[in-house]
Amino acid sequence: DAGVTQSPTHLIKTRGQQVTLRCSPISGHKSVSWYQQVLGQGPQFIFQYYEKEERGRGNFPDRFSARQFPNYSSELNVNALLLGDSALYLCASSLVTLTDTQYFGPGTRLTVL
Amino acid sequence: EDQVTQSPEALRLQEGESSSLNCSYTVSGLRGLFWYRQDPGKGPEFLFTLYSAGEEKEKERLKATLTKKESFLHITAPKPEDSATYLCAIYYNQGGKLIFGQGTELSVKP
Repeated sequence: DAGVTQSPTHLIKTRGQQVTLRCSPISGHKSVSWYQQVLGQGPQFIFQYYEKEERGRGNFPDRFSARQFPNYSSELNVNALLLGDSALYLCASSLVTLTDTQYFGPGTRLTVL
Repeated sequence: EDQVTQSPEALRLQEGESSSLNCSYTVSGLRGLFWYRQDPGKGPEFLFTLYSAGEEKEKERLKATLTKKESFLHITAPKPEDSATYLCAIYYNQGGKLIFGQGTELSVKP
C-alpha cells in the first residue's frame, strides 16, 4: 500500500510570496494533520482536518491556512512568507483522531530567501 | 513550559552497547504516547504507540515502556543502521494536538 505522499519535495520562495503544499493520505485514512519542523527541533502541530473540517489548530498565525478535499487529500497554504517559515513541512494521516497512530509523509522542504 | 522532554539530546554508542532513551511528560490525562524514528531530511517513521502505564511494546532491537510520567526506549545491541533521531510525542485530554519532544540523536559506531 502507498504511504502518505507529499508534493513538491523541495521549494524555494522569496519573502512575501505565497506557497501551496499538497498531501495525499494513506488509503482509508480520513484525518490529515500538518506539522512544521525546523532544524534540530521536533515537529510542531499546525492543523488537523477530519471530514473536510478543521478539528485542531496550533499556535500559528493566520497566514497559515489549510483545507481538506472530498477524497481526503489536503493542501496547506502559507501567505506572505517570512524567512522564519523555512522548514520541513510534514503531513501525517490517521484513521480518525489524533489518538490513532499518525503516519508521516516524506515532507516538503521549504526555503524562503 | 516544556510538556515533553527527551534526554539525552545526543547519544553516541558503540555497536552492541545497549542503552536507553528517556521521554518525560508533565501533563495529566495522557491518551497516547508515540515513538518515531527520523532519518535526516525525511519524515518520521512510526515505531510504537503506548496507551497506559505498565504497557510495553517490542520490535527487533527496540523496546518501549511507559510509566505514569515517562517512557523509555531501550535499544539492545544496537547496530550502525539504528543511527537516527528518535522522537516521542504525546496526546492528552486537554491538549487537542500531538506534542513532540525535541528528539534524541543516536549515533552507533561500528
